[in-house]
Amino acid sequence: QVQLQESGPGLVKASETLSLTCTVSGDSMSSFYWSWIRQPPGKGLEWIGHIYYGVNTFYNPSLKSRATISADTSRNVFSLRVISLTAADTAVYYCARGIYDGQIDYWGQGRLVTVSS
Amino acid sequence: QSVLTQPPSASGTPGQRVTISCSGSSSNIGSHTVNWYQHLPGTAPKLLIYSNSHRPSGVPDRLSGSKSGTSASLAISRLQSEDEADYYCVTWDDSLNGWAFGGGTKVTVL
Repeated sequence: QVQLQESGPGLVKASETLSLTCTVSGDSMSSFYWSWIRQPPGKGLEWIGHIYYGVNTFYNPSLKSRATISADTSRNVFSLRVISLTAADTAVYYCARGIYDGQIDYWGQGRLVTVSS
Repeated sequence: QSVLTQPPSASGTPGQRVTISCSGSSSNIGSHTVNWYQHLPGTAPKLLIYSNSHRPSGVPDRLSGSKSGTSASLAISRLQSEDEADYYCVTWDDSLNGWAFGGGTKVTVL
């Protein structure tokens, strides 16, 4: 059974950097798209980006190059870093496993991150 | 502004059929398969339909999906109170080089 678990701060300050980690169990991370998705309060889900084969990354242009995703497959973790935070980055952040067409079969529980001024 | 367009809300009484549309373009729905998710508050989204019309194990056959051209739809038959949730369509987008989400549709059981 594949499980994903987000970890990281729940409160960060505006203009600072958010770092979240997703710990994966039950899968070697050698294939699939390992992704970050977020949901701001009262809004819909938004794809942030993903990493596959441990090194290839793609990001949603809406984040204007502020996001970086990396993976350490030896430890079965992948991470998200978002710089220059604003209140608009306040959201529940999910890590997830999927395939290229958007079929996402496993999700983490979600981590609420609040950006304070 | 979401890449895929869904109606913000839909509703029906128990036993009725509700249909949710998802409109896209040639760079997403027109070229790739569509998946549908159910999202309840405080939980992770759940895959309901994959590859346009296939149901994962455990998803009731009251739910069905279809796709035509650059649009897709999710139908919920014999509506039940437990179907009250937000529903999202998702597919690959060639312009994004990633996943495009619909804005979500809130289904209310009256």
